[in-house]
Amino acid sequence: QVQLVQSGAEVKRPGASVRVSCTASGFSLSSHTIHWLRQAPGQRPEWMGWINGDNGKTKYSENFQDRVTISRDTYASTVYMDLSSLQSDDTAVYYCARDSIYLWLWFDNWGQGTSVTVSS
Amino acid sequence: DIQLTQSPSSLSASVGDRVTITCRASQGIGRWVAWYQQKPEQAPKFLIYSASDLQSGVPSRFSGSGSGTDFTLTISSLHPEDFATYYCQQYNSYPITFGQGTRLEIK
Repeated sequence: QVQLVQSGAEVKRPGASVRVSCTASGFSLSSHTIHWLRQAPGQRPEWMGWINGDNGKTKYSENFQDRVTISRDTYASTVYMDLSSLQSDDTAVYYCARDSIYLWLWFDNWGQGTSVTVSS
Repeated sequence: DIQLTQSPSSLSASVGDRVTITCRASQGIGRWVAWYQQKPEQAPKFLIYSASDLQSGVPSRFSGSGSGTDFTLTISSLHPEDFATYYCQQYNSYPITFGQGTRLEIK
């Protein structure tokens, strides 16, 4: 069945960077777009960006433009999200989510979430 | 950015009730709205796209409607597993945005 399995929880100091991975199974990464979203405690989800699983093209939210990088390893069926210059308000659960390669821009399958805590 | 405002923010209802959640957009967004259900400590679950199209496997008691700026999610007869938080999402333009959520609680 379709699964997106994310890496484990992270605790980071302010100013550090974090990498979260998302490994796909049950479908071909090259036939889909993968998005990253985050959800701070008690808040609505916030969209961060996407990567085309076929050609690696990316698009980022302007809210994260200079701090986020999304990449992929097609052989490992894995997508990565790097977020730099972390601050306390980056504390959130980070999700990867699947979209069509045609960019319908809705998310039919989600990873289990990765908790990222930023604290000194 | 397009703002989505859901109402009510919370709702108490009983098993078997019919409930409707509203999502209002700050500008016209056609029918480019999706709905999700989220339970505590879980990822959101995809329910509806294009305002009214039910995702495969989602029970038919869920339905959506609307266009332009006003959208609704209706659950025709609440089941115990339906008590959760519901979010609308717009994909008319970037950045993709979500409503603040409606928490559906058991009365």
